Amino acid sequence: GNSVTQMEGPVTLSEEAFLTINCTYTATGYPSLFWYVQYPGEGLQLLLKATKADDKGSNKGFEATYRKETTSFHLEKGSVQVSDSAVYFCALKGSPSTPLVFGKGTRLSVIA
Amino acid sequence: GAGVSQSPSNKVTEKGKDVELRCDPISGHTALYWYRQRLGQGLEFLIYFQGNSAPDKSGLPSDRFSAERTGESVSTLTIQRTQQEDSAVYLCASSLATGMNTEAFFGQGTRLTVV
Repeated sequence: GNSVTQMEGPVTLSEEAFLTINCTYTATGYPSLFWYVQYPGEGLQLLLKATKADDKGSNKGFEATYRKETTSFHLEKGSVQVSDSAVYFCALKGSPSTPLVFGKGTRLSVIA
Repeated sequence: GAGVSQSPSNKVTEKGKDVELRCDPISGHTALYWYRQRLGQGLEFLIYFQGNSAPDKSGLPSDRFSAERTGESVSTLTIQRTQQEDSAVYLCASSLATGMNTEAFFGQGTRLTVV
């Protein structure tokens, strides 16, 4: 079945550091890929998405590129801020009739 | 409403009791999901209602768990004879359609504690 594997956390970075959170997936066909974020005390919300190979999703300075050859969708940001502290979830949707499948989440803490 | 609403926000129940958790999706959203998030864990899929199609119940962990949805509105997740391992945050999400690219909008969750 479809599955998502993302790097274990927690990740602690200093402000303005470069961020990479790895995400790889297993799916048949051509899934759509997503990153969701859960800020402290808030519900999950969509951060970015990509729907086909080589697409790049971007939002709030975060980027992720859909790499079919490596079945990956790594999340990157060039310069993190304290306000980026949150839990980040990688997710995929394999087909319209299958549910969104999430990874275990990666907790990011950014210190000033 | 403006967003996905879940109630109650917190529920403490005694082991062996039944509980009902409610989800009010965004109006017009045809797809609705339930997930479970245990402390420090990821999102565990429970059930997926997809418009008029049969729901995908493949994630329900045991026959103590069931869910219903009335048309395209409210959904109720019922846990019978609760056990301590059922303690978790139960999240509901809805999306406008069942397509590949549609964003899922999440509620704040119901924190269930079984004592």
